[in-house]
Amino acid sequence: GENVEQHPSTLSVQEGDSAVIKCTYSDSASNYFPWYKQELGKGPQLIIDIRSNVGEKKDQRIAVTLNKTAKHFSLHITETQPEDSAVYFCAASGPHTGNQFYFGTGTSLTVIP
Amino acid sequence: ETGVTQSPTHLIKTRGQQVTLRCSSQSGHNTVSWYQQALGQGPQFIFQYYREEENGRGNFPPRFSGLQFPNYSSELNVNALELDDSALYLCASSRTGGGSEETQYFGPGTRLLVL
Repeated sequence: GENVEQHPSTLSVQEGDSAVIKCTYSDSASNYFPWYKQELGKGPQLIIDIRSNVGEKKDQRIAVTLNKTAKHFSLHITETQPEDSAVYFCAASGPHTGNQFYFGTGTSLTVIP
Repeated sequence: ETGVTQSPTHLIKTRGQQVTLRCSSQSGHNTVSWYQQALGQGPQFIFQYYREEENGRGNFPPRFSGLQFPNYSSELNVNALELDDSALYLCASSRTGGGSEETQYFGPGTRLLVL
């Protein structure tokens, strides 16, 4: 089955700096890659997603890049704010995964004011 | 905030008991997926329901079972609870057949503690 690895597990940045979280996946048939933000005591919230026919997608301060050849994708947050502090999860799925998402182990991001 | 709701928010059970968790999907969505999230881990897929039938299952034993109702809401049942079943149980809703089937929106979860 699919295996998703996520790095780093923890990340601290100063407010205003950029944060980058990286994920790799094992199955080249995966074609959908969402990113979720999970705050303490809440469920994961979809923040951005990308499909394999696109190399990059941007939504205000958040962007995701995908390298299908290397089988890795990254989340970029620019001009970080304290409210960006949360745990971020990447995931991968595709028609071959039987509708299930395979999640990474999460990155705990702390933005220091 | 998504329109996915779950109940109860917290639950304490003892080993060997049975538990039922409930989920109401977002308006316009017809598919419900259930995930188990252990502390400090990413969510693990349990199963998915579409058209009131199981439509994909992860690596979970048969004592994890589910239902989907005509209004698309869903239940997760766990029998013979074990200590390792302590986790956050997440429900995610999506729409099959309308494009962007992959996009799943999560509810707030039910925190289950098995003693």
